Amino acid sequence: GENVEQHPSTLSVQEGDSAVIKCTYSDSASNYFPWYKQELGKRPQLIIDIRSNVGEKKDQRIAVTLNKTAKHFSLHITETQPEDSAVYFCAASIGDNFNKFYFGSGTKLNVKP
Amino acid sequence: GAVVSQHPSRVICKSGTSVKIECRSLDFQATTMFWYRQFPKQSLMLMATSNEGSKATYEQGVEKDKFLINHASLTLSTLTVTSAHPEDSSFYICSAGTSGDEQFFGPGTRLTVL
Repeated sequence: GENVEQHPSTLSVQEGDSAVIKCTYSDSASNYFPWYKQELGKRPQLIIDIRSNVGEKKDQRIAVTLNKTAKHFSLHITETQPEDSAVYFCAASIGDNFNKFYFGSGTKLNVKP
Repeated sequence: GAVVSQHPSRVICKSGTSVKIECRSLDFQATTMFWYRQFPKQSLMLMATSNEGSKATYEQGVEKDKFLINHASLTLSTLTVTSAHPEDSSFYICSAGTSGDEQFFGPGTRLTVL
C-alpha cells in the first residue's frame, strides 16, 4: 500500500516568517494530495489540495508544490500568523473518486508572536 | 455544504461493553465513508472503507469482528467497537466524499474505556 512520510514533526517559526512542510509518497499511482489543518480535539480541515496534473497551486498565503518524478510534495505558508499554529497533515490518494487517503505523521506548527 | 456529523462526541464505557458511533452526511449522499482512528499526537490511521449496501473493506491489521461497520443508507454509517478494552481508547473520526476527490471529516468521537 501507499506510504506517506512527513517532515518535520515539529516546526517553530516567528510570526511573519515562512513555514515549509514536506511529504514523500511511495506509490506512483497516487494522484491527489490534500493538506489538512487540525486543531486540538477538532476535525481535520482541508486547506489546500493538488492533483497530479499540476505542479503548483497557490491560495493566498498557502501554496503547495508537487514533484511527481521525485514523489514528493510540500506545503508553504508565508507571512505566518499565530492562528496558523496547529497540526498539519499531508495525505495521498490513489485513483479517482472516493478513494482512500493515506496520511503523513503530522507536523505541529508553532507560530510565535 | 458537505457537512458530516458524528454522534456521540464523547463516550466513556466499561471494559467489555460495546459502543456504537454514528457518522452522518447531513447535506449530501455518501456512497462511501471512511473510518479513522487517531491516538494522541499521532496521525489518522485508516481503519476501513464503508460502502453503502455492502460489506466494509478493512485495512490490514484491523480486526473486522472487533470493529463492526454498517452502512445502511447513503447518509449513515456506524462503527461498533465490540467488547471494548482500554487499548481501544482513542479518537475515532469518519469522513465522507461527494463526487470529487475531497473528503469531509466528522468532528470525531473520543472513546474512553475504563
